[in-house]
Order: sequence, then C-alpha cells, then structure tokens
Amino acid sequence: DSGVTQTPKHLITATGQRVTLRCSPRSGDLSVYWYQQSLDQGLQFLIQYYNGEERAKGNILERFSAQQFPDLHSELNLSSLELGDSALYFCASSLLAPSTDTQYFGPGTRLTVL
Amino acid sequence: GENVEQHPSTLSVQEGDSAVIKCTYSDSASNYFPWYKQELGKRPQLIIDIRSNVGEKKDQRIAVTLNKTAKHFSLHITETQPEDSAVYFCAASSSGGSYIPTFGRGTSLIVHP
Repeated sequence: DSGVTQTPKHLITATGQRVTLRCSPRSGDLSVYWYQQSLDQGLQFLIQYYNGEERAKGNILERFSAQQFPDLHSELNLSSLELGDSALYFCASSLLAPSTDTQYFGPGTRLTVL
Repeated sequence: GENVEQHPSTLSVQEGDSAVIKCTYSDSASNYFPWYKQELGKRPQLIIDIRSNVGEKKDQRIAVTLNKTAKHFSLHITETQPEDSAVYFCAASSSGGSYIPTFGRGTSLIVHP
C-alpha cells in the first residue's frame, strides 16, 4: 500500500457524460500528478499540482481539468467523454523536494466509456 | 524535452536466469532514475531508483546501473522467479524542473517456470 488513495476503483459511463476522479496523496506529500494509461500503453502524464497550484501540464485534453484543494486532495474532471477516454487513470504523489522526488502511485481508477 | 527509450519491449526468460532491461535518456540535466514494476491491472510500484551521483545500486536480486556519459541506465534482475513477471517501466526526471518523470514505454517480462 503506497498511502495514496483513489476513488472510485471502477467507473462505467456513457459517451458524452462527465465524471470526477478523486485522489488523496500520502500524508505530507504536497504534489499530485495525474496519469492516463490506455491498453498496452505507457504512462501518459496529464497534469501536476503542487500545494494547490497547477505546476505542470502534459498531454491533457481541453475536455479534462483538475484541481487540488486546500486539504491537498485532488480531483480530475473528465467531460464530454469519448470511447477513447477508456483507460486506467492513476494519481501519484510526492513531497517535491530536491532529495525526495520519488512518486508513489495510487491503485488507479478504471474508466470504461460505453 | 526529455525522451526515454526502453528496450526490449518484451523479454522472456527461464526461471533462474538473469534479465536485463535497458533505457537511454536524452536530457543531460536528468538526475533521478526510478524503475517501476506494474502487475496486470495494478499500480506501478517503485522497485529501485538511482540518482546521478551514484553509478550502481543493489537491492537483493535487483540492481540498477547508470552511465551518465552515455546517458543510459539498466535494470538487472538475477535469479528470476515467476512472480517477477510484470511490466517494468524506467523513467528519468530532473530535480531542477518540476520533477515530471518521462517514462519509457515499458518492458513486459515473462518468467517461465
């Protein structure tokens, strides 16, 4: 158990819908990262938040957005869902300091868009 | 930006053999190189990491080597066991930036009993 939690574990929805994925980082970690992993694909970095502020953006679609709240949990919002959005979505957290940049991954949310 | 190449994409070995997975990176500023193991449908789990001030690091049957000059690093697993079967990802990141790691595309390791 990495200490990072994600809910829900599974999500099945229809095209055009909107969903919210939630992540709670490890105690003490200030940085949260979101990744998308499609079938047989590697980990695609979506977005990073640090202490409530957006820090870096990767290949995140305009239909997707995220935020990090004062208690440091983060939510990833996916809207106007398409079949191709079906994937595993992982959240990871780290302390974000020069000597402790190790990322710890949550168990993931499996999103299925029908 | 950083580019990480990982080889091979699939590696099949017999139980007890050694396995080696290699990665190359492009950004000379990268100074942190973690390796993750991901079993089917599960989270990537950090198995070992190395920083650029170290050339080699070992943890029981797992070792990682780093050649900064050539910009490549490798994962070595000795005495492989069936439970080592998984997808392994290498990554590279720089503490001078936002710590966003660039991941390799993964190596599917299959250990045959």
